[in-house]
Amino acid sequence: AQSVTQLGSHVSVSEGALVLLRCNYSSSVPPYLFWYVQYPNQGLQLLLKYTSAATLVKGINGFEAEFKKSETSFHLTKPSAHMSDAAEYFCAVSEAGGSYIPTFGRGTSLIVHP
Amino acid sequence: EADIYQTPRYLVIGTGKKITLECSQTMGHDKMYWYQQDPGMELHLIHYSYGVNSTEKGDLSSESTVSRIRTEHFPLTLESARPSHTSQYLCASSRGKQGGTGELFFGEGSRLTVL
Repeated sequence: AQSVTQLGSHVSVSEGALVLLRCNYSSSVPPYLFWYVQYPNQGLQLLLKYTSAATLVKGINGFEAEFKKSETSFHLTKPSAHMSDAAEYFCAVSEAGGSYIPTFGRGTSLIVHP
Repeated sequence: EADIYQTPRYLVIGTGKKITLECSQTMGHDKMYWYQQDPGMELHLIHYSYGVNSTEKGDLSSESTVSRIRTEHFPLTLESARPSHTSQYLCASSRGKQGGTGELFFGEGSRLTVL
């Protein structure tokens, strides 16, 4: 069975500061991992994905995430926050060779202060 | 850019009315999904489909029903809307097992308010 835990329902940073959004997963088989972003009154948009190639994955808008199997983590980072990064962020996992139906975390709201 | 469309984007309706939320995708994806998103952000899978004539219930029990008569179309219907159905409904699609990873492509959502 697969599951995702996102630590912190809200993360607040100053503009220009490092962004770190935490995601830990549980999976009985090699996982596929995803980060999605949701802006107000929009659907979810893929930021980046890990599909068993490079463990450091670069996505859109300057975000990246590192797959760490030993820590079962897939934390999302960005070196310098911008006001436009304020949004909801969701981590998701699906299992290779399984149904591929993803399980989502509860989401983290990123607040960026000027 | 994803090609998945939801209509209506916003709907305000009275209790007891029947409503259908439309979802169409032009990517030829086999799998389609409906999520209900509560005000606290959390996504709840309410229905999904592996392909034409396939529909399955998701993790969250829902009074809504779905159909999949065509690959590109996955409408959701509420026979008698109630205030408890007020929510945002998100439709998504993904490739089937061949070439699939679980990556979802989302529509922009349908925000339903039942008075």
